[in-house]
Amino acid sequence: DAKTTQPTSMDCAEGRAANLPCNHSTISGNEYVYWYRQIHSQGPQYIIHGLKNNETNEMASLIITEDRKSSTLILPHATLRDTAVYYCIVRVPDDYKLSFGAGTTVTVRA
Amino acid sequence: DTEVTQTPKHLVMGMTNKKSLKCEQHMGHRAMYWYKQKAKKPPELMFVYSYEKLSINESVPSRFSPECPNSSLLNLHLHALQPEDSALYLCASGGPTRGYQPQHFGDGTRLSIL
Repeated sequence: DAKTTQPTSMDCAEGRAANLPCNHSTISGNEYVYWYRQIHSQGPQYIIHGLKNNETNEMASLIITEDRKSSTLILPHATLRDTAVYYCIVRVPDDYKLSFGAGTTVTVRA
Repeated sequence: DTEVTQTPKHLVMGMTNKKSLKCEQHMGHRAMYWYKQKAKKPPELMFVYSYEKLSINESVPSRFSPECPNSSLLNLHLHALQPEDSALYLCASGGPTRGYQPQHFGDGTRLSIL
């Protein structure tokens, strides 16, 4: 059973912020939200993760709603190299596996 | 550049061949994983090693045989594979299997079975 729902695809303009939504309405209290991306012909790349608070690193920002039922990954200035499939995953610390859904195919256009 | 290195990048083999995929990490991670990814599908877990011991086998056929010689290395031995085993094989490493630390992936070995 899918734990997250993401749009199938989205387009972004180069240089603009890209906001990627993820719905996880059945998330439990100890589940973390992880974001990965997979650029064509490469392995998945870890982006960011969070539990409750908003998080930011050199790649992106993660905004988690107060009820934790959804989150948004923000790429502040999208470049052509950000074109990839983006996966939103929820996982409890006791779970050994990352369960990937279908993800969002993001295309950044010049 | 990834911190998990997989070799070879590409492999073509016949159904009667024996080959091995190799994975190496030097991040001090004690958990290592094999995933399989078919074209246009998300990765699926195959095996988990924790502290060099096999802890999870996701009902993978015995023609795939994992091995963890030490904390930095992970192998996947292949024998008598079928054409449907053609896929991208991904290795990952991470903190303890039970924890919030993220997994980090290599770029995979693209395997083609003739």
